[in-house]
Amino acid sequence: KNEVEQSPQNLTAQEGEFITINCSYSVGISALHWLQQHPGGGIVSLFMLSSGKKKHGRLIATINIQEKHSSLHITASHPRDSAVYICAVLTGNQFYFGTGTSLTVIP
Amino acid sequence: ETGVTQSPTHLIKTRGQQVTLRCSSQSGHNTVSWYQQALGQGPQFIFQYYREEENGRGNFPPRFSGLQFPNYSSELNVNALELDDSALYLCASSFPRRSSGGALSTGELFFGEGSRLTVL
Repeated sequence: KNEVEQSPQNLTAQEGEFITINCSYSVGISALHWLQQHPGGGIVSLFMLSSGKKKHGRLIATINIQEKHSSLHITASHPRDSAVYICAVLTGNQFYFGTGTSLTVIP
Repeated sequence: ETGVTQSPTHLIKTRGQQVTLRCSSQSGHNTVSWYQQALGQGPQFIFQYYREEENGRGNFPPRFSGLQFPNYSSELNVNALELDDSALYLCASSFPRRSSGGALSTGELFFGEGSRLTVL
């Protein structure tokens, strides 16, 4: 069993739609990271959370420590949001990653 | 642009050979971590260095080793290459942060573009 599970694995949306990607984890964590990976491999850090909620532009990330669950929301989605979104958790000095959610936003 | 650079970007090796991958950290970052990402998979944590000492390791055999230098740049060395070592190798630099409890842990990650290794 993976320490980090993401859903859905693949997601296709129309431009403008509200998108939610979910991440559940089974270990105690000190932080959770949401990452974005574009084709070609480059990874960008979107959020680092240890509690509550963070917002950056059209992106919102929430975490519920008691339920061991986090969500990444994208409002007013745009084709440039198409990428793989990866959830990663830090426990001690060890990272565990989800397998990613591949998002395609159609114009 | 994260300020983290990796070299080489692509390389091809044969089974049994050794490889060294390099990573330069963003200025001011004293922590570097390395990851292996096989095609179609999420990254897997290899290890992390903080101030030149390994302070975290994933489930990788000893033939995966690393170094961090006084300028906080880093190397990943893989000996006795196997076909399954073919992957994208990513490094990320960061600066520690203090949690609400006062413990030091890894801060926001800044990734390089990766080194794509093919083992034939």
